[in-house]
Amino acid sequence: DAGVIQSPRHEVTEMGQEVTLRCKPISGHNSLFWYRQTMMRGLELLIYFNNNVPIDDSGMPEDRFSAKMPNASFSTLKIQPSEPRDSAVYFCASNPHGVTDTQYFGPGTRLTVL
Amino acid sequence: GQQLNQSPQSMFIQEGEDVSMNCTSSSIFNTWLWYKQEPGEGPVLLIALYKAGELTSNGRLTAQFGITRKDSFLNISASIPSDVGIYFCAGQEGGNFNKFYFGSGTKLNVKP
Repeated sequence: DAGVIQSPRHEVTEMGQEVTLRCKPISGHNSLFWYRQTMMRGLELLIYFNNNVPIDDSGMPEDRFSAKMPNASFSTLKIQPSEPRDSAVYFCASNPHGVTDTQYFGPGTRLTVL
Repeated sequence: GQQLNQSPQSMFIQEGEDVSMNCTSSSIFNTWLWYKQEPGEGPVLLIALYKAGELTSNGRLTAQFGITRKDSFLNISASIPSDVGIYFCAGQEGGNFNKFYFGSGTKLNVKP
């Protein structure tokens, strides 16, 4: 199994630019989660989907952040416009969601906004 | 909101020593997970627990789901340098489509 795939692994951009992060969950998993990790705040849940439908987006920090899951094998997290305080590592995780829930993380995207 | 307390925050130990860390929650969980994260990588699942009192091992790692369902423990026996990393607990309340809450992590340093 390929595991959760994220791209790009690293992104450096300038303040004000649009950033799009991509995630391919593990095949057959029906829940997908976006997290942000920083030294100060640790691992924060931004949004999660079940069967491509957003279930809880209460962790999305501002309207500048948006996430979509057009199909079971692809999701995007977009930041527009980006700001330096958005610099963090963004993780995607997928969950088979059944009797025994668990989560498998991707390798993350390290975002630096200058 | 949900509070998940993980301790200790960091540990400095000698190779060969045993390690113990724990997480406590403010509410009852139905699932506990333990992860390890190494620099530049995503968290990797080590052990999953689904029943109160459950004790599960994965090599030198052993984790337990507390009887009260509000805590969990992870033990590492005979630590080695490659155990270095940050260990996270995560818990999930009952019900459908519930998210996981993560602890703040325990940073483990092992001195050869």
